[in-house]
Amino acid sequence: DAGVTQSPTHLIKTRGQQVTLRCSPKSGHDTVSWYQQALGQGPQFIFQYYEEEERQRGNFPDRFSGHQFPNYSSELNVNALLLGDSALYLCASSETGDGTEAFFGQGTRLTVV
Amino acid sequence: GQQLNQSPQSMFIQEGEDVSMNCTSSSIFNTWLWYKQEPGEGPVLLIALYKAGELTSNGRLTAQFGITRKDSFLNISASIPSDVGIYFCAGHSYGGSQGNLIFGKGTKLSVKP
Repeated sequence: DAGVTQSPTHLIKTRGQQVTLRCSPKSGHDTVSWYQQALGQGPQFIFQYYEEEERQRGNFPDRFSGHQFPNYSSELNVNALLLGDSALYLCASSETGDGTEAFFGQGTRLTVV
Repeated sequence: GQQLNQSPQSMFIQEGEDVSMNCTSSSIFNTWLWYKQEPGEGPVLLIALYKAGELTSNGRLTAQFGITRKDSFLNISASIPSDVGIYFCAGHSYGGSQGNLIFGKGTKLSVKP
């Protein structure tokens, strides 16, 4: 049984560009959450998707947007990249519908230069 | 906003020693979770706690949900080199924060063989 898978694993982008990160949830999970983890910090909640809709959003600007597909996979899009967007982006899935017991992927390391 | 204070920030211990770390919050949580993260990986769920006062074990790991619902601790007994990593506490609450986890900044554990 595959766990949460994310792609790509590493990415380098230039300031001002746009990026799309992808996530496939663990089998049987229907809820996907995205987190940003800066170096030396704990993950910070970006938003959560359930039934193809954004259920809740953390304190992130509108440059961060997402999508969930009918097969429960999800994308995170970031527009107009800033240097400060450099971080590990983590996708987490859960089966409870409220994101409590979240299982994380290995993350996508985004570097903005 | 809600914040978790996790301590200690780092620990250097000898193999075989017991370890204790804790997490406190100014807000009440309905669920406390403990994760371990190794370099280049996403956080891995170790223990989930759902009731105030609950004490749960997972092998050499024991965690408790504080009776005030504002704190939790994690103990590791007889540490071994593979315990090395960063341990994060995370709190989850329903209502206004429904659907996301609030993470501490982590405790970095180093084990000397």
